[in-house]
Amino acid sequence: QSVLTQPPSASGTPGQRVTISCSGSSSNIGSNYVYWYQQLPGMAPKFLLYRNNQRPSGVPDRFSGSKSGTSASLAISGLRSEDEADYYCAAWDDSLSGVVFGGGTKVTVL
Amino acid sequence: QVQLQQWGAGLLKPSETLSLTCAVYGASFSGYSWSWIRQPPGKGLEWIGEFFDSGSTNFNPSLKSRVAISVDTSKNHFSLNLSSVTAADTAVYYCASGIAVAGQASFDYWGQGTLVTVSS
Repeated sequence: QSVLTQPPSASGTPGQRVTISCSGSSSNIGSNYVYWYQQLPGMAPKFLLYRNNQRPSGVPDRFSGSKSGTSASLAISGLRSEDEADYYCAAWDDSLSGVVFGGGTKVTVL
Repeated sequence: QVQLQQWGAGLLKPSETLSLTCAVYGASFSGYSWSWIRQPPGKGLEWIGEFFDSGSTNFNPSLKSRVAISVDTSKNHFSLNLSSVTAADTAVYYCASGIAVAGQASFDYWGQGTLVTVSS
């Protein structure tokens, strides 16, 4: 059971907008930045978003993030076949004094 | 551009010690945090622990009693030791680097991953 809660799956057709939620608590998302990672099949995770909504260099602006209270979300607009992957949210947890991850959401492009 | 390349034994027996090493290219240890993360087959990511260039460390409470992370600055390597392994420790292990700021879940660069299987 992961500390951060994500839906196990999400899907959309090419061009659609898909949103993934990440629910936590006051000790993690409520008081710290949220980070998002993309893991393509058979690959190591990739840094996708940092500090809730910032994109590292090279990440398309189709990917956006937001945070409100103890929840965060990742949105993928203009969905493309290459976006088919697992997506993980992560945050520092003050109570555990460590990093916690969500269970991951598998995005399927129909 | 930081690159991480990792290696270590892929098959262990129960009660043995897991040892993995991660070589760092394109950066020095100063200004970064150095972490280990694992992923059991078909499951999600689990943070193991981190090491800062200041020498401070943080570990997953569930693994803390069995984990050690060390750094060899002369070789630009950092290593993970996990003692008394069981089948539950079977996973792909990743090394990762991020900003040297405490209290973040920042993993900018990742190693390629090493599958470690624990079986008698």
